[in-house]
Amino acid sequence: DGGITQSPKYLFRKEGQNVTLSCEQNLNHDAMYWYRQDPGQGLRLIYYSQIVNDFQKGDIAEGYSVSREKKESFPLTVTSAQKNPTAFYLCASSISSGMVTGELFFGEGSRLTVL
Amino acid sequence: AQRVTQPEKLLSVFKGAPVELKCNYSYSGSPELFWYVQYSRQRLQLLLRHISRESIKGFTADLNKGETSFHLKKPFAQEEDSAMYYCALSRGSRLTFGEGTQLTVNP
Repeated sequence: DGGITQSPKYLFRKEGQNVTLSCEQNLNHDAMYWYRQDPGQGLRLIYYSQIVNDFQKGDIAEGYSVSREKKESFPLTVTSAQKNPTAFYLCASSISSGMVTGELFFGEGSRLTVL
Repeated sequence: AQRVTQPEKLLSVFKGAPVELKCNYSYSGSPELFWYVQYSRQRLQLLLRHISRESIKGFTADLNKGETSFHLKKPFAQEEDSAMYYCALSRGSRLTFGEGTQLTVNP
């Protein structure tokens, strides 16, 4: 079954703790993305990666970190420096790594709640 | 700065009525624009892209460069069209989304 798999679906964290969200794809896509979805604010880009071992900051990268050691994997770490981490996180991928003229394929999302 | 604005957070229509979801953008280059849709309990997915000039599920969207708009239209709304709709602008290797419009089609 091809697609994007995000885990965990729900995650609770205490303040001051780092947490890592997993994103795996078996679509053989070059580009991968992390977005944060908040009510009334739409989707905001956190980080994106066009190729293995390379990634760029998006619009709201502060307090987050990523790695792209394998083509199929793009984990996101929400660090304790992120001031408002409670949110719904979406991972996506696309075939092309240049201009985004094609379709983004999204995962089901991970909901992080900081207690 | 490149931005996408969807002025209506909520839109409610009756079944069979026409529906128009508004999207305005600001971009200095030639825009590549998309509409994405998220049905309840489903993944966010592409609905249509302006470059294809296609009609999907009865929806169409025309790029108006003069008004910098890319409104999504459907002449006769159906209950199954109820969903969250996002307009998106391609900026090189990244996609910028608007705030989203929650469409409810009432019976």
